[in-house]
Amino acid sequence: GENVEQHPSTLSVQEGDSAVIKCTYSDSASNYFPWYKQELGKRPQLIIDIRSNVGEKKDQRIAVTLNKTAKHFSLHITETQPEDSAVYFCAASKGGSYIPTFGRGTSLIVHP
Amino acid sequence: DTEVTQTPKHLVMGMTNKKSLKCEQHMGHRAMYWYKQKAKKPPELMFVYSYEKLSINESVPSRFSPECPNSSLLNLHLHALQPEDSALYLCASSQQGGDEKLFFGSGTQLSVL
Repeated sequence: GENVEQHPSTLSVQEGDSAVIKCTYSDSASNYFPWYKQELGKRPQLIIDIRSNVGEKKDQRIAVTLNKTAKHFSLHITETQPEDSAVYFCAASKGGSYIPTFGRGTSLIVHP
Repeated sequence: DTEVTQTPKHLVMGMTNKKSLKCEQHMGHRAMYWYKQKAKKPPELMFVYSYEKLSINESVPSRFSPECPNSSLLNLHLHALQPEDSALYLCASSQQGGDEKLFFGSGTQLSVL
């Protein structure tokens, strides 16, 4: 089955800095890669996703890049703000499965 | 309506109690999920219903019993739970047919005494 590795487990940055979270996956058939943000005590929420026919996608301060050859994808957050503090989970799934395999999560702390 | 609604938000139960968790969505999604989540860990898949039929059971103990009365509702019946079952129970839904985005409910924080 699919295996998703996520690093780092904890990331501490100063407000205004950039943050990068990296994930690798094992199944070359995976073709959908979402990122979920979970604030303390709240539900996971999809913040951005990318499909395997695209190399990069941006939405305001967040972007995701995908390298299919190396089987890794990354989340980039620029100009971090305290409200970006949360646990971020990457995931991978393949068409027809609808069942994502989650990474172990990254706890992002943005210091004011 | 882009919400998945779960009730109750919090539940405390003894090991001999029977209780049910409820989940509802009105987005027309045909896949519904139960996940279990421990603090700062990823959600762990328990069950998947596809078009109201149970399609995946991730070897979950029989003290957890899912039910899908119709395409909008999902229940999780709990009986004779153990303290280690204490966790956040998340319901999710997705629109099958090529869109794999998961929409999560706010969850039920369950404590088993």
